[in-house]
Amino acid sequence: EAQVTQNPRYLITVTGKKLTVTCSQNMNHEYMSWYRQDPGLGLRQIYYSMNVEVTDKGDVPEGYKVSRKEKRNFPLILESPSPNQTSLYFCASSVTGYSGNTIYFGEGSWLTVV
Amino acid sequence: GENVEQHPSTLSVQEGDSAVIKCTYSDSASNYFPWYKQELGKGPQLIIDIRSNVGEKKDQRIAVTLNKTAKHFSLHITETQPEDSAVYFCAATSSGGSYIPTFGRGTSLIVHP
Repeated sequence: EAQVTQNPRYLITVTGKKLTVTCSQNMNHEYMSWYRQDPGLGLRQIYYSMNVEVTDKGDVPEGYKVSRKEKRNFPLILESPSPNQTSLYFCASSVTGYSGNTIYFGEGSWLTVV
Repeated sequence: GENVEQHPSTLSVQEGDSAVIKCTYSDSASNYFPWYKQELGKGPQLIIDIRSNVGEKKDQRIAVTLNKTAKHFSLHITETQPEDSAVYFCAATSSGGSYIPTFGRGTSLIVHP
């Protein structure tokens, strides 16, 4: 089954404790991306990757890091989480990074930073 | 950059009624307009899309219309059912460069039985 899998789905952590949210897709997609969803603000892009070893900032990259060493994986790293990073996070992928391709989203990761 | 406005933020209808969600965009180079449905506890899922060379597209009870001149596009759901209750997002993407869709802020649709 074609899917985007992210883990963990739910996490409560403390300020400053580094954490990684993993994302994996099994569709051989070139394009992968991370979004955060906050009430009233919709989906905002954090980082995206057009292909292996190619990443770039989205609209809200501050406080996040990513890497794309393999085509299928695109982890999101919070080096020193802060409470304002409490949010619902989605990983997404698409065949390529060009207009007109369907974006497939993961099920989401609820992150709470206390 | 692109700016997408989506209205209303909340829409409440009775089962069987129609629902319309409207979006406007700012970048005249945008040429692809998908709509996503997000059910509770799940990620958004594409339900219908339209390209700039088409004015309307239908798929059973849902349809999308596009007015390029006015830079707005709309989602129409007819004969709404309780399972249509969800958050709906519109998006606009440009024909040039990389695929970085700009999403609207979402519409929470509630269909009352």
